[in-house]
Amino acid sequence: SYVLTQPPSVSVAPGQTARITCGGNNIGSKSVHWYQQKPGQAPVLVVYDDSDRPSGIPERFSGSNSGNTATLTISRVEAGDEADYYCQVWDSSSDLLFGTGTKVTVL
Amino acid sequence: QLQLQESGPGLVKPSETLSLTCTVSGGSISSSSYYWGWIRQPPGKGLEWIGSIYYSGSTYYNPSLKSRVTISVDTSKNQFSLKLSSVTAADTAVYYCARQEAVAALNWFDPWGQGTLVTVSS
Repeated sequence: SYVLTQPPSVSVAPGQTARITCGGNNIGSKSVHWYQQKPGQAPVLVVYDDSDRPSGIPERFSGSNSGNTATLTISRVEAGDEADYYCQVWDSSSDLLFGTGTKVTVL
Repeated sequence: QLQLQESGPGLVKPSETLSLTCTVSGGSISSSSYYWGWIRQPPGKGLEWIGSIYYSGSTYYNPSLKSRVTISVDTSKNQFSLKLSSVTAADTAVYYCARQEAVAALNWFDPWGQGTLVTVSS
């Protein structure tokens, strides 16, 4: 079955750039969506279809997807970006999958 | 603004059936291009998709849960529901409902309900 692998944690200093990867076999052929989840809250969509942003999401959040890796990039990281981040895809054989999740810590 | 709200018992006994309802407000559950989904998250763990339903009743289920899951829709009440049978402690989780964009495939979830914790315990 299809598996999405994310690093358990990413640490970044304020003002720097955080890159969160989502690995999967030929994931570049799929549409990848990203969610931010803060403690005690429901997930919030931050990027859809690899690189599109919903209204209200800062331009600091961007996405890319190629080969076997999709990446969520958070530029000019702020303390408020500290959260868990999940990728998600639809795979026609394995149905809908979420990545394992990455905890972003702002130092 | 579309809002979703989960409701149902917070405590279910082992071997019984978990039942939850999601009420949609600020929009119609009969909108085209959208499915309506259930996702769960065990305490301290990641997200797991349970299944999704279209207003016509068409469903997709997570293969690992398919034998125990039923999702239904009531367009007259603008609600959709989840039933999970034969629950065990492993089914203890926060259960979320969400709208799912679904043109050509089951795509992203947005927005989500606030979630409701269901504990399986005797």
